[in-house]
Amino acid sequence: GAGVSQSPSNKVTEKGKDVELRCDPISGHTALYWYRQRLGQGLEFLIYFQGNSAPDKSGLPSDRFSAERTGESVSTLTIQRTQQEDSAVYLCASSSGTLSNQPQHFGDGTRLSIL
Amino acid sequence: AQSVTQLDSQVPVFEEAPVELRCNYSSSVSVYLFWYVQYPNQGLQLLLKYLSGSTLVESINGFEAEFNKSQTSFHLRKPSVHISDTAEYFCAVSDIWNKLSFGAGTTVTVRA
Repeated sequence: GAGVSQSPSNKVTEKGKDVELRCDPISGHTALYWYRQRLGQGLEFLIYFQGNSAPDKSGLPSDRFSAERTGESVSTLTIQRTQQEDSAVYLCASSSGTLSNQPQHFGDGTRLSIL
Repeated sequence: AQSVTQLDSQVPVFEEAPVELRCNYSSSVSVYLFWYVQYPNQGLQLLLKYLSGSTLVESINGFEAEFNKSQTSFHLRKPSVHISDTAEYFCAVSDIWNKLSFGAGTTVTVRA
Protein backbone atom coordinates (compact mmCIF):
# COMPACT_ATOMS: atom_id res chain seq x y z
CA GLY A 1 0.00 0.00 0.00
CA ALA A 2 0.96 3.66 -0.18
CA GLY A 3 3.45 4.91 2.32
CA VAL A 4 3.91 8.38 3.77
CA SER A 5 4.12 10.89 0.96
CA GLN A 6 5.86 14.24 1.23
CA SER A 7 5.97 17.12 -1.20
CA PRO A 8 7.87 18.79 -2.63
CA SER A 9 10.88 16.48 -2.52
CA ASN A 10 13.19 19.47 -2.94
CA LYS A 11 12.62 23.15 -2.31
CA VAL A 12 15.04 26.00 -2.91
CA THR A 13 14.00 29.44 -1.81
CA GLU A 14 15.44 32.80 -0.91
CA LYS A 15 15.99 33.93 2.64
CA GLY A 16 12.95 35.73 3.99
CA LYS A 17 10.38 33.85 1.93
CA ASP A 18 7.70 31.64 3.43
CA VAL A 19 7.60 27.91 2.59
CA GLU A 20 4.95 25.26 3.03
CA LEU A 21 5.75 21.56 3.23
CA ARG A 22 3.13 18.87 2.86
CA CYS A 23 2.74 15.41 4.34
CA ASP A 24 0.21 12.75 3.39
CA PRO A 25 0.21 10.06 6.10
CA ILE A 26 -0.66 6.43 5.65
CA SER A 27 -4.43 6.07 5.52
CA GLY A 28 -5.88 5.30 8.94
CA HIS A 29 -2.84 6.47 10.87
CA THR A 30 -3.97 8.71 13.67
CA ALA A 31 -0.56 9.97 14.78
CA LEU A 32 1.63 12.23 12.64
CA TYR A 33 5.08 13.55 13.48
CA TRP A 34 7.39 16.15 11.93
CA TYR A 35 11.18 15.96 12.35
CA ARG A 36 14.08 18.02 11.04
CA GLN A 37 17.45 16.61 10.01
CA ARG A 38 20.25 19.12 9.63
CA LEU A 39 23.37 18.12 7.73
CA GLY A 40 25.50 15.74 9.78
CA GLN A 41 23.05 15.63 12.66
CA GLY A 42 20.35 13.34 13.91
CA LEU A 43 16.67 14.01 13.60
CA GLU A 44 15.10 16.62 15.83
CA PHE A 45 11.48 16.28 16.86
CA LEU A 46 9.38 19.30 15.87
CA ILE A 47 5.68 18.59 16.43
CA TYR A 48 3.20 15.77 16.63
CA PHE A 49 -0.53 15.34 16.12
CA GLN A 50 -2.69 12.60 17.61
CA GLY A 51 -6.26 12.47 16.34
CA ASN A 52 -8.21 15.53 17.34
CA SER A 53 -6.10 16.27 20.42
CA ALA A 54 -4.13 19.49 20.73
CA PRO A 55 -0.76 19.04 19.00
CA ASP A 56 2.49 18.78 20.93
CA LYS A 57 4.48 21.74 19.63
CA SER A 58 7.32 21.45 22.12
CA GLY A 59 9.97 20.87 19.46
CA LEU A 60 9.26 23.86 17.24
CA PRO A 61 12.43 25.99 17.25
CA SER A 62 10.77 29.38 16.89
CA ASP A 63 7.45 31.09 16.29
CA ARG A 64 8.30 31.19 12.59
CA PHE A 65 7.42 27.50 12.50
CA SER A 66 3.82 26.27 12.56
CA ALA A 67 1.96 23.17 11.47
CA GLU A 68 -1.61 22.19 10.86
CA ARG A 69 -3.47 18.97 10.37
CA THR A 70 -7.10 18.56 9.50
CA GLY A 71 -8.51 15.53 11.25
CA GLU A 72 -6.42 12.49 10.48
CA SER A 73 -5.36 13.53 7.02
CA VAL A 74 -2.84 15.83 5.39
CA SER A 75 -0.51 18.00 7.44
CA THR A 76 1.35 21.12 6.38
CA LEU A 77 4.44 22.55 8.02
CA THR A 78 4.91 26.26 7.39
CA ILE A 79 8.11 28.20 7.91
CA GLN A 80 7.76 31.97 7.73
CA ARG A 81 10.55 34.41 6.92
CA THR A 82 13.00 31.59 6.27
CA GLN A 83 16.58 31.83 7.49
CA GLN A 84 19.64 30.01 6.25
CA GLU A 85 19.73 27.87 9.39
CA ASP A 86 16.35 26.45 8.36
CA SER A 87 18.12 24.52 5.59
CA ALA A 88 17.57 20.84 6.38
CA VAL A 89 15.64 17.75 5.41
CA TYR A 90 12.17 17.83 6.92
CA LEU A 91 10.77 14.37 7.59
CA CYS A 92 7.22 13.37 8.30
CA ALA A 93 6.19 10.11 9.95
CA SER A 94 2.87 8.53 10.80
CA SER A 95 1.80 5.67 13.03
CA SER A 96 -1.40 3.93 13.95
CA GLY A 97 -1.20 5.38 17.45
CA THR A 98 1.10 6.83 20.05
CA LEU A 99 2.01 3.58 21.76
CA SER A 100 5.64 2.69 21.21
CA ASN A 101 4.72 -0.73 19.81
CA GLN A 102 3.13 1.13 16.91
CA PRO A 103 6.17 2.00 14.78
CA GLN A 104 6.51 5.23 12.88
CA HIS A 105 6.66 5.04 9.11
CA PHE A 106 8.71 7.80 7.51
CA GLY A 107 8.34 9.64 4.24
CA ASP A 108 11.31 10.41 2.01
CA GLY A 109 11.47 13.97 3.30
CA THR A 110 11.61 17.44 1.80
CA ARG A 111 15.09 18.83 1.28
CA LEU A 112 14.87 22.56 1.97
CA SER A 113 17.65 24.88 0.90
CA ILE A 114 17.61 28.54 1.85
CA LEU A 115 19.82 30.75 -0.30
CA ALA B 1 14.30 14.40 29.02
CA GLN B 2 16.08 11.79 27.00
CA SER B 3 19.01 11.76 24.64
CA VAL B 4 20.94 9.35 22.45
CA THR B 5 24.66 9.22 21.73
CA GLN B 6 26.08 7.27 18.83
CA LEU B 7 29.76 6.98 19.50
CA ASP B 8 30.94 6.44 15.93
CA SER B 9 30.05 8.75 13.08
CA GLN B 10 31.76 6.63 10.39
CA VAL B 11 32.41 2.90 10.35
CA PRO B 12 34.25 1.47 7.33
CA VAL B 13 34.18 -2.33 7.18
CA PHE B 14 35.12 -5.05 4.73
CA GLU B 15 32.51 -7.39 3.30
CA GLU B 16 31.88 -10.49 5.44
CA ALA B 17 33.51 -8.86 8.47
CA PRO B 18 31.55 -8.22 11.67
CA VAL B 19 30.34 -4.76 12.61
CA GLU B 20 29.18 -3.15 15.85
CA LEU B 21 27.50 0.24 16.06
CA ARG B 22 27.47 1.71 19.53
CA CYS B 23 24.52 3.53 21.05
CA ASN B 24 24.09 4.90 24.56
CA TYR B 25 21.02 6.64 25.86
CA SER B 26 19.96 8.66 28.85
CA SER B 27 16.44 8.88 30.16
CA SER B 28 14.71 9.49 33.45
CA VAL B 29 11.92 7.02 32.67
CA SER B 30 11.47 3.63 31.09
CA VAL B 31 12.37 3.72 27.45
CA TYR B 32 11.72 2.02 24.21
CA LEU B 33 14.68 1.71 21.87
CA PHE B 34 14.93 1.53 18.12
CA TRP B 35 17.41 1.26 15.29
CA TYR B 36 16.46 2.85 11.98
CA VAL B 37 18.35 2.49 8.72
CA GLN B 38 18.55 4.91 5.82
CA TYR B 39 19.87 3.40 2.60
CA PRO B 40 21.31 5.79 -0.02
CA ASN B 41 18.57 7.93 -1.58
CA GLN B 42 15.87 6.27 0.48
CA GLY B 43 13.78 7.18 3.51
CA LEU B 44 14.16 5.94 7.07
CA GLN B 45 13.12 2.35 7.74
CA LEU B 46 12.68 0.63 11.09
CA LEU B 47 15.36 -2.05 11.51
CA LEU B 48 14.51 -3.38 14.97
CA LYS B 49 13.05 -2.33 18.29
CA TYR B 50 13.16 -3.15 21.98
CA LEU B 51 9.96 -2.64 23.92
CA SER B 52 10.12 -5.23 26.71
CA GLY B 53 10.93 -8.86 27.34
CA SER B 54 14.07 -10.45 25.94
CA THR B 55 16.94 -8.00 25.88
CA LEU B 56 18.25 -9.40 22.60
CA VAL B 57 16.26 -8.38 19.54
CA GLU B 58 16.86 -9.43 15.97
CA SER B 59 15.98 -8.12 12.53
CA ILE B 60 15.12 -10.18 9.48
CA ASN B 61 18.39 -9.29 7.72
CA GLY B 62 20.81 -10.58 10.34
CA PHE B 63 21.25 -7.55 12.59
CA GLU B 64 20.77 -7.86 16.33
CA ALA B 65 20.82 -5.43 19.22
CA GLU B 66 21.05 -6.00 22.93
CA PHE B 67 19.42 -3.79 25.51
CA ASN B 68 21.68 -3.33 28.53
CA LYS B 69 19.93 -1.35 31.22
CA SER B 70 22.90 -1.11 33.60
CA GLN B 71 25.11 0.30 30.86
CA THR B 72 22.27 2.26 29.23
CA SER B 73 23.30 0.86 25.88
CA PHE B 74 21.62 -0.61 22.81
CA HIS B 75 24.49 -1.58 20.51
CA LEU B 76 23.75 -2.96 17.04
CA ARG B 77 25.73 -5.87 15.65
CA LYS B 78 25.97 -8.03 12.58
CA PRO B 79 28.41 -10.95 12.39
CA SER B 80 28.98 -10.71 8.62
CA VAL B 81 28.10 -7.65 6.54
CA HIS B 82 27.24 -7.38 2.86
CA ILE B 83 27.81 -4.57 0.40
CA SER B 84 24.05 -3.93 0.58
CA ASP B 85 24.37 -3.03 4.28
CA THR B 86 26.03 0.26 3.29
CA ALA B 87 23.74 2.86 4.83
CA GLU B 88 23.33 5.32 7.66
CA TYR B 89 22.07 3.85 10.92
CA PHE B 90 20.22 5.81 13.58
CA CYS B 91 19.62 4.80 17.16
CA ALA B 92 16.50 6.29 18.75
CA VAL B 93 14.64 6.30 22.04
CA SER B 94 10.97 7.12 22.46
CA ASP B 95 8.98 8.53 25.32
CA ILE B 96 5.53 7.36 26.34
CA TRP B 97 3.99 9.46 23.54
CA ASN B 98 6.14 7.75 20.94
CA LYS B 99 8.15 10.91 20.24
CA LEU B 100 11.54 9.78 19.02
CA SER B 101 14.89 11.25 20.02
CA PHE B 102 17.60 10.27 17.56
CA GLY B 103 21.33 9.97 17.69
CA ALA B 104 23.45 11.75 15.10
CA GLY B 105 23.76 8.61 13.00
CA THR B 106 26.55 6.21 12.02
CA THR B 107 27.50 5.84 8.38
CA VAL B 108 28.50 2.28 7.56
CA THR B 109 30.48 1.79 4.37
CA VAL B 110 31.05 -1.82 3.33
CA ARG B 111 33.92 -2.46 0.94
CA ALA B 112 34.72 -5.56 -1.06
